[in-house]
Amino acid sequence: AQKITQTQPGMFVQEKEAVTLDCTYDTSDPSYGLFWYKQPSSGEMIFLIYQGSYDQQNATEGRYSLNFQKARKSANLVISASQLGDSAMYFCAMREGPTGNTGKLIFGQGTTLQVKP
Amino acid sequence: SAVISQKPSRDICQRGTSLTIQCQVDSQVTMMFWYRQQPGQSLTLIATANQGSEATYESGFVIDKFPISRPNLTFSTLTVSNMSPEDSSIYLCSASSVGSYEQYFGPGTRLTVT
Repeated sequence: AQKITQTQPGMFVQEKEAVTLDCTYDTSDPSYGLFWYKQPSSGEMIFLIYQGSYDQQNATEGRYSLNFQKARKSANLVISASQLGDSAMYFCAMREGPTGNTGKLIFGQGTTLQVKP
Repeated sequence: SAVISQKPSRDICQRGTSLTIQCQVDSQVTMMFWYRQQPGQSLTLIATANQGSEATYESGFVIDKFPISRPNLTFSTLTVSNMSPEDSSIYLCSASSVGSYEQYFGPGTRLTVT
């Protein structure tokens, strides 16, 4: 069965430093997508970055990059140059099937990130 | 990208009553989903809202408790019936379309049951 694991309940990072949030996944489907979302205290889910299982290169979106290690089944989020506004809950999620399959998302437990000034 | 709105944004309800949450997407989408996020927890899928047919519920969720409607490709409702304090959660609507990896979320409805 598909599963997403985030082993870091909470993380601290100094402002302007980089931080890595861990995510491992388990699936038997060769086609899948991996997502990272940010959830501030307001509760909205903000999409950050996406990695497809067949993508050859690691995804990047501004200060966010995804360290995709397929053999290890890991999809860690790297945030560079942390800002105070990055303090939030971060969720890793997976969707099985190709983009033509608009399947449901399975979420990890989340990691709370606090950025220190 | 699609923009999703939800109504109400928050509500405080008495136990035993029901609340209907509306989800509106600004463009036609193939799939719509309803998630629940209990306090301090991750998101759990309640059901997939199917246009023109009955919703598909996940294990642990039943139609009598969470009836869902989806009359067209841009709108869905979730009703939380006979509420108890355990139903206090954030309820999030989500949508996606064939051929696109993007999965959009609404701002959520924060429900407190007293």
